[in-house]
Amino acid sequence: RKEVEQDPGPFNVPEGATVAFNCTYSNSASQSFFWYRQDCRKEPKLLMSVYSSGNEDGRFTAQLNRASQYISLLIRDSKLSDSATYLCVVGNSGNTPLVFGKGTRLSVIA
Amino acid sequence: NAGVTQTPKFQVLKTGQSMTLQCAQDMNHEYMSWYRQDPGMGLRLIHYSVGAGITDQGEVPNGYNVSRSTTEDFPLRLLSAAPSQTSVYFCASSRKTGWNYEQYFGPGTRLTVT
Repeated sequence: RKEVEQDPGPFNVPEGATVAFNCTYSNSASQSFFWYRQDCRKEPKLLMSVYSSGNEDGRFTAQLNRASQYISLLIRDSKLSDSATYLCVVGNSGNTPLVFGKGTRLSVIA
Repeated sequence: NAGVTQTPKFQVLKTGQSMTLQCAQDMNHEYMSWYRQDPGMGLRLIHYSVGAGITDQGEVPNGYNVSRSTTEDFPLRLLSAAPSQTSVYFCASSRKTGWNYEQYFGPGTRLTVT
């Protein structure tokens, strides 16, 4: 089982739609969780951290379910500019690097 | 503030050639890493460093060497290029000590090996 798994998509949604991505992780000792965004032919950039109580940043809501070991990202009122690949990222304990999922591709269509 | 810089942006090599991909950061980050990204494979960690003079192997280290003589620089050396090393290479650094913080990525180097 891959350490971090995501549905690769693509998710094709119309402008204004609400879309949700899920991500599962296999290491129950994982300590930190993030969503990164990667535009086509660009480098990944941090979108938001994911906190245990869930957190919101404008149209974006991230949630963590430690019992089921999954993370979600909800995008409301999708914009054309939200089209990108969204990477689920997990940090484990100790001096080990972050683990990146393969990403979920989103296309928002006019 | 330049952040993480990578050179070159594009490179074409012939099989068997060697070269060094440069990475530098001006944020005084201790943690730096190299990834390669191939279609359908996601980001795969090649090598990483937790500080000057300290390096370690990631998931796909074969065919690559690194060194970290200064905090700022983390070059990646391809010893004898192979077509399987055709990829996009990203360097990243972490703004605080430890991995559980934001990774800042460079713009990438697109490498083709013929």
